[in-house]
Amino acid sequence: DVKVTQSSRYLVKRTGEKVFLECVQDMDHENMFWYRQDPGLGLRLIYFSYDVKMKEKGDIPEGYSVSREKKERFSLILESASTNQTSMYLCASSFYRAAMNTEAFFGQGTRLTVV
Amino acid sequence: TQLLEQSPQFLSIQEGENLTVYCNSSSVFSSLQWYRQEPGEGPVLLVTVVTGGEVKKLKRLTFQFGDARKDSSLHITAAQPGDTGLYLCAGASTSGTYKYIFGTGTRLKVLA
Repeated sequence: DVKVTQSSRYLVKRTGEKVFLECVQDMDHENMFWYRQDPGLGLRLIYFSYDVKMKEKGDIPEGYSVSREKKERFSLILESASTNQTSMYLCASSFYRAAMNTEAFFGQGTRLTVV
Repeated sequence: TQLLEQSPQFLSIQEGENLTVYCNSSSVFSSLQWYRQEPGEGPVLLVTVVTGGEVKKLKRLTFQFGDARKDSSLHITAAQPGDTGLYLCAGASTSGTYKYIFGTGTRLKVLA
């Protein structure tokens, strides 16, 4: 059974804290993605990675960074959390970048609240 | 920037009714996917359509990709409470990158 696992379901952090969201997949996928989901806005891509140590900015990268040191793990970092980063964060993975029709597998999400 | 707009944003219907959800863009996509997301879970793929004009059926769900590959629709026949959820369309960019662009979502509630 394929699996994308996010380290926390719920997280509460204070403004200014450095926050790490971890995501691990067991499907040997090349592509990994971080999205944030807000009501009425759908899923917005923050960053994605198509290989170890490779990363590209998505549509809303400001205030975020990522790390991919191993193929199975993709971390999202909020350098200095702010209240407007309160959201649901979803990690996803998929096969090889050229196969544009492949399915994206999602984790269960991390609901982050910044107070 | 490629954008996908979904309509309606919210839909509440009685069990047994039919409904259609629309996903529209001014951009062309190489393929389009539909996902359903239930509360507390990540989205799960329902279908992928690739060819302009393509129609796919999944039990009571019918998916269509527009001829120009700019839009798609999801039709549910005889909706059931188990169909309740957030429906998301996602387009694969034609620009050679690897990312999926997600629509704004349609939240469906089917009342028993």
